[in-house]
Amino acid sequence: AQKVTQTQTSISVMEKTTVTMDCVYETQDSSYFLFWYKQTASGEIVFLIRQDSYKKENATVGHYSLNFQKPKSSIGLIITATQIEDSAVYFCAMREGSSNTNKVVFGTGTRLQVLP
Amino acid sequence: GPKVLQIPSHQIIDMGQMVTLNCDPVSNHLYFYWYKQILGQQMEFLVNFYNGKVMEKSKLFKDQFSVERPDGSYFTLKIQPTALEDSAVYFCASSPQGSSAETLYFGSGTRLTVL
Repeated sequence: AQKVTQTQTSISVMEKTTVTMDCVYETQDSSYFLFWYKQTASGEIVFLIRQDSYKKENATVGHYSLNFQKPKSSIGLIITATQIEDSAVYFCAMREGSSNTNKVVFGTGTRLQVLP
Repeated sequence: GPKVLQIPSHQIIDMGQMVTLNCDPVSNHLYFYWYKQILGQQMEFLVNFYNGKVMEKSKLFKDQFSVERPDGSYFTLKIQPTALEDSAVYFCASSPQGSSAETLYFGSGTRLTVL
């Protein structure tokens, strides 16, 4: 069964620094897709970035990038030049490629606080 | 961007009563999901739905839960009867075709309080 684990409950960083949030996953599938979502204080959940398991290059979107370490089943989210508005809860998620139900499983989330 | 609408944003109900949570998915999306979140923590998968059928449901999707989307209108989650442990924020999400690479589009959630 697929599983996503985020061990960091909460992180605090100073503004304009770089932060990495960890995520490890479990799957028996050879093809899968990994996602990071952000939940703001208002509760809104938005998609940030995706990594396809068959791609070796780390995905990058704006000041978000991923550190995909397939042998370790790890997909870290890196935020560079953090801003106050990056303060939120970040969720890692996975969908298996061969799934015929398209279930998406989420981790427990990491709360990021960016301090001025 | 595309919007998923959830109505109402907050619902308070007495234990044992029935409640229906409504979701208006993104137009033309075909896959629909419900997630349960307690205390701003983990997003727990409840169920997903496609072409009028439940595709997969988790153990959290108790017998008292049901979903439907009659005639392409709201995608609904019904709980009958409600229990205290059903208090949570319920998020609806949709995706276009349901392919593995697609992202989910989330609504803003319905906070359900069972008294």
